[in-house]
Amino acid sequence: GENVEQHPSTLSVQEGDSAVIKCTYSDSASNYFPWYKQELGKRPQLIIDIRSNVGEKKDQRIAVTLNKTAKHFSLHITETQPEDSAVYFCAAMVNQAGTALIFGKGTTLSVSS
Amino acid sequence: KAGVTQTPRYLIKTRGQQVTLSCSPISGHRSVSWYQQTPGQGLQFLFEYFSETQRNKGNFPGRFSGRQFSNSRSEMNVSTLELGDSALYLCATSVSGPPETQYFGPGTRLLVL
Repeated sequence: GENVEQHPSTLSVQEGDSAVIKCTYSDSASNYFPWYKQELGKRPQLIIDIRSNVGEKKDQRIAVTLNKTAKHFSLHITETQPEDSAVYFCAAMVNQAGTALIFGKGTTLSVSS
Repeated sequence: KAGVTQTPRYLIKTRGQQVTLSCSPISGHRSVSWYQQTPGQGLQFLFEYFSETQRNKGNFPGRFSGRQFSNSRSEMNVSTLELGDSALYLCATSVSGPPETQYFGPGTRLLVL
């Protein structure tokens, strides 16, 4: 079945720096890759997603890139702010008689001011 | 629109007991996915229901089961609880499943003693 590896598990940056989180997936048939942000004590929320027919997608300070050949995708956050501190999860969609999202184990991002 | 709701929010059980958790989706959402969240393991997919049918299932033992009702509300049941079942159980709903955006509920925190 699908397996999603996420790195790093923790990331500390200074306010204003960029942060990059990388994920790899195993199933070449996967074609949808969302990223979720989970603040402490709160539910995960979708921040950006990308489909396999697109190589890059941006939304203000957040961007996601996808390399289908290498089966990896990355989240890029520019000009980080303390409120970006959270756990970030990548996921890949499995399409086998229905659909499911398989998540990575998460990256704890800490932005210090 | 009201968001995804889960009941109860907290549960304490002892080993060997069974537990039933409930998830009420956003109005119009027919797909409900369940995840187990534990520290270090991220979000692990349990199963997904759509129109009262289980469409996909993760790699969990048969002690974990679920169902969905005609109003799209879903329940998951864990029988013969083990200490390792202590976790946050999240449900996520969407109109018809990924790649549509999934909206998470607040979760049910289960502690098994």
